[in-house]
Amino acid sequence: QQQVKQSPQSLIVQKGGISIINCAYENTAFDYFPWYQQFPGKGPALLIAIRPDVSEKKEGRFTISFNKSAKQFSLHIMDSQPGDSATYFCAAMKSSTLGRLYFGRGTQLTVWP
Amino acid sequence: NAGVTQTPKFQVLKTGQSMTLQCAQDMNHNSMYWYRQDPGMGLRLIYYSASEGTTDKGEVPNGYNVSRLNKREFSLRLESAAPSQTSVYFCASSDPSGSTDTQYFGPGTRLTVL
Repeated sequence: QQQVKQSPQSLIVQKGGISIINCAYENTAFDYFPWYQQFPGKGPALLIAIRPDVSEKKEGRFTISFNKSAKQFSLHIMDSQPGDSATYFCAAMKSSTLGRLYFGRGTQLTVWP
Repeated sequence: NAGVTQTPKFQVLKTGQSMTLQCAQDMNHNSMYWYRQDPGMGLRLIYYSASEGTTDKGEVPNGYNVSRLNKREFSLRLESAAPSQTSVYFCASSDPSGSTDTQYFGPGTRLTVL
């Protein structure tokens, strides 16, 4: 059973546009929701993360929106740039399980210049 | 700091051969993980080690064994490789007792089993 469902599988956005990736989870015990960014041939790297005590977190052009009642969270990339072209993974974790992250299946983002 | 390092970067095996993937971290993290990444499947946890001397199964442990050699090193062994184990393997580490739950990933090992 997939713990975290991510959509869309792929996304094409024009430079300067907004990229939006959505994730949903079932386990209400999850209390840490990170997004990872992965460039071709590299390992994933943490981009931004949120805990359920806030509904939004912003770091530069990247924003996580979190809806606890709907059990959904999303990544918004404002003013998307060609350098943002990568695969993005959402994930979820219950802190007491010593770091066991459950990942979504990933979204391949392409930003056209 | 090198962070998380993995060897080898690439490997081709024949069905039935064995090999060990090596991982080391220099961040003094207690927890280490092995994931596999397949197209369209995201990252799936194979095994993890919460601390030196302990290991636990993840989501897809069949066909693999692990050893937490010391706090720095965590190896993944394929005893009898199968084509279904063709994948990219990532090692990661974290310090859950610290102020962050961030997992730091290595560059990956690309394994092909013929």
